[in-house]
Amino acid sequence: DTEVTQTPKHLVMGMTNKKSLKCEQHMGHRAMYWYKQKAKKPPELMFVYSYEKLSINESVPSRFSPECPNSSLLNLHLHALQPEDSALYLCASSQGVVGTGATDTQYFGPGTRLTVL
Amino acid sequence: AQTVTQSQPEMSVQEAETVTLSCTYDTSESDYYLFWYKQPPSRQMILVIRQEAYKQQNATENRFSVNFQKAAKSFSLKISDSQLGDAAMYFCAYRSSNFGNEKLTFGTGTRLTIIP
Repeated sequence: DTEVTQTPKHLVMGMTNKKSLKCEQHMGHRAMYWYKQKAKKPPELMFVYSYEKLSINESVPSRFSPECPNSSLLNLHLHALQPEDSALYLCASSQGVVGTGATDTQYFGPGTRLTVL
Repeated sequence: AQTVTQSQPEMSVQEAETVTLSCTYDTSESDYYLFWYKQPPSRQMILVIRQEAYKQQNATENRFSVNFQKAAKSFSLKISDSQLGDAAMYFCAYRSSNFGNEKLTFGTGTRLTIIP
């Protein structure tokens, strides 16, 4: 089972709203990721939670804040977003083990399409 | 920093024929992982195939196989007996083997069209 679920599938929000994206996996993975993907572009890494440690892409603005309530859940809280934040937001998870013999493949969820008005 | 280059923005192939998508990368590391993901119009990123750099044998998954040339830093994907369901954007991706460097570096993608 390589399923990663994301909710909601679509989200439309105003610039003053606060909303959250949810990601869940039940594969016992220890690493979870948030990616942002603009149209016709490859995904760009925003955050990594690996073994309860958060790593941040320094180019990500503070209006995005991740939260990891437990090892199966990863939320992305959104506040005061801008229209240019409209994109597909992809969550992924992996075992979190690296080194020879452990490929640590990332498995992706179906994404949340976010539109900021 | 690692970079991944996909020089073919678009490719098309006749149904049941074979097509090869190109990918080159640049790295100073000796141990790493390479992946091909497909992203159909549904937008979900689906793993197609993966290759560990320390393995000389090319990975194969049913109709999908890779030609991994480590010295040339080349990692092409061959799709045999192309099917309509193969139509998608294909991304080549690189991942370091170093713990703490989990980032996937993607190429810009190749859009594959299957002609019936």
